[in-house]
Amino acid sequence: DIVMTQSPLSLPVTPGEPASISCRSSQSLLHSNAYNCLDWYLQKPGQSPQLLIYLGSNRASGVPDRFSGSGSGTDFTLKISRVEAEDVGVYYCVQGLQTPITFGLGTRLEIK
Amino acid sequence: EVQLLESGGGLVQPGGSLTLSCAASGFTFQTYTMSWVRQAPGKGLEWVSGILGGGGGTTYYAGSVKGRFTISRDNSKNMMYLHMNSLRDEDTAVYYCAKDREPDGMWQFDYWGQGTLVTVSS
Repeated sequence: DIVMTQSPLSLPVTPGEPASISCRSSQSLLHSNAYNCLDWYLQKPGQSPQLLIYLGSNRASGVPDRFSGSGSGTDFTLKISRVEAEDVGVYYCVQGLQTPITFGLGTRLEIK
Repeated sequence: EVQLLESGGGLVQPGGSLTLSCAASGFTFQTYTMSWVRQAPGKGLEWVSGILGGGGGTTYYAGSVKGRFTISRDNSKNMMYLHMNSLRDEDTAVYYCAKDREPDGMWQFDYWGQGTLVTVSS
């Protein structure tokens, strides 16, 4: 199985400041179609997860442009340009290259 | 509007069985890959199982449930199911139904249900 490693696991951020989460996979997530099969989800407190970024760098429908994804192969990053209070929750990276689909442990973003 | 509504959760004894249902609406259900994802209390997300759309119906499972759980779908009713046998304490979790973003089954979950809680305990 592909192992997904996120860091940090906890991320306190001041509103208006940027934030960055790293995700590393145990093997390359580059598909034969040239896409990186890496997605990011946010689970806000008490809610179901929501898709933020798919295929490494594509924002899902309705996701604010302060969220961006980058990376290729085994190293990926989610960046929030200016954190807002509504961004609080747990962020997960997920690989969709092969089953079983595997999630990182999650990064809990909190407001300072 | 896409809607996914899970049902069937509850309290079951270790070794028991339970079947979860997911009622889908607002999209062409038969063409989309669907999955079950669970979350143990206070823990992270774990993909459990997926079933392809497009008529193929190929199924996939996490190692932790293979041989005990069976995923299925009824495209005529826009329903997906998870039949769970030989349940263990560690299967206690909220179980989410999730829809793929595109019909080609790239395992990107753009819609999730609200979840149904399964508690395995004596």
